[in-house]
Amino acid sequence: QKEVEQDPGPLSVPEGAIVSLNCTYSNSAFQYFMWYRQYSRKGPELLMYTYSSGNKEDGRFTAQVDKSSKYISLFIRDSQPSDSATYLCAMSASGGATNKLIFGTGTLLAVQP
Amino acid sequence: GAVVSQHPSWVICKSGTSVKIECRSLDFQATTMFWYRQFPKQSLMLMATSNEGSKATYEQGVEKDKFLINHASLTLSTLTVTSAHPEDSSFYICSAWESTGNEQFFGPGTRLTVL
Repeated sequence: QKEVEQDPGPLSVPEGAIVSLNCTYSNSAFQYFMWYRQYSRKGPELLMYTYSSGNKEDGRFTAQVDKSSKYISLFIRDSQPSDSATYLCAMSASGGATNKLIFGTGTLLAVQP
Repeated sequence: GAVVSQHPSWVICKSGTSVKIECRSLDFQATTMFWYRQFPKQSLMLMATSNEGSKATYEQGVEKDKFLINHASLTLSTLTVTSAHPEDSSFYICSAWESTGNEQFFGPGTRLTVL
């Protein structure tokens, strides 16, 4: 069993739709949860960062962490064609320079105009 | 955000040759940098943690003699793939730890193709 599971998609939605992206994990030591966006042939870009359980909102993006279920989500409201990318969840047990990130496989999202 | 560059962005080489990839933090100093590998439709896998002035820490299953890492300054880490083979063809991404913001910043990646 992989430490982090993520549905690879692809996920295709019309412009303006609400997008839900999810990851599950098995390691209960994970405390830090991140969502990255990666455009084709580019490095990942941090979108959201959450510590422990709870919700965090930033503009059209909302990250949720449910540690009891070992389940994290990223919601994108009013999706735009420019949101089309691969979304990677990542998590780590520690913060700081020693935080070893474990990534999901990424979900490919296409927002159709 | 902080900027991390990689050079080259892509490289094609013959089997048996060595390839060096550079990772630079352009506007901050990074005592710690990370090297990842990403195969098509797979997640980023951490290969090693590079610490300025000391030996790199390799993840299980990564051959340290094949993937040589040097972190000679606070803004530069290099990954050398020695005696590259076609199975080493992959997307190599580095990241640098920015301590002020407590965040890893990723480079744009280097696509290596070994013929």
